[in-house]
Amino acid sequence: DGGITQSPKYLFRKEGQNVTLSCEQNLNHDAMYWYRQDPGQGLRLIYYSQIVNDFQKGDIAEGYSVSREKKESFPLTVTSAQKNPTAFYLCASRRTSGDNNEQFFGPGTRLTVL
Amino acid sequence: SQQGEEDPQALSIQEGENATMNCSYKTSINNLQWYRQNSGRGLVHLILIRSNEREKHSGRLRVTLDTSKKSSSLLITASRAADTASYFCATGSNDYKLSFGAGTTVTVRA
Repeated sequence: DGGITQSPKYLFRKEGQNVTLSCEQNLNHDAMYWYRQDPGQGLRLIYYSQIVNDFQKGDIAEGYSVSREKKESFPLTVTSAQKNPTAFYLCASRRTSGDNNEQFFGPGTRLTVL
Repeated sequence: SQQGEEDPQALSIQEGENATMNCSYKTSINNLQWYRQNSGRGLVHLILIRSNEREKHSGRLRVTLDTSKKSSSLLITASRAADTASYFCATGSNDYKLSFGAGTTVTVRA
């Protein structure tokens, strides 16, 4: 899982609560990404950030928010506005120099709404 | 948006056999990548092939790319039990985002 850590590994949330998922990388990568994975499906992009203090919405940003105050950290908040938040969340990072956009992934956080 | 589509959805083979899976995509790409995911874990990058390349090898992996057909294939030779995983293709464009397919689940029987 490279130099990317995600915590916690498992997270349980009651309906109506906001919850924040942590993602930290020590790879000195500029770009970071958040994906959502549902059973039997591929990854869908929630948010991404190419540089500190800047981020863009992905394909399914509604009900989520992010911040990028430090290069190493890209936390994801799942808000109560996200109607179906139970899923496996993956964080990734990428070096922006050169033309290789290989992404390095963390181990994931499994979020369950009770 | 999910651009890549893998085929088949699932594959079961005997140890030592080869495994082949395909990926089709819809729009022009800068590169195509293959990733592996073990159950409940993050994805691991396997190989990247650029749009101007036709074939690439890495150990027991062989990837082909046909941009005229908008398709790619991943071949795993002499499979091992440790190759049991889900395999995803991901297409990259100039905006440095990746679009992932739904994956092929490979089971290698001992």
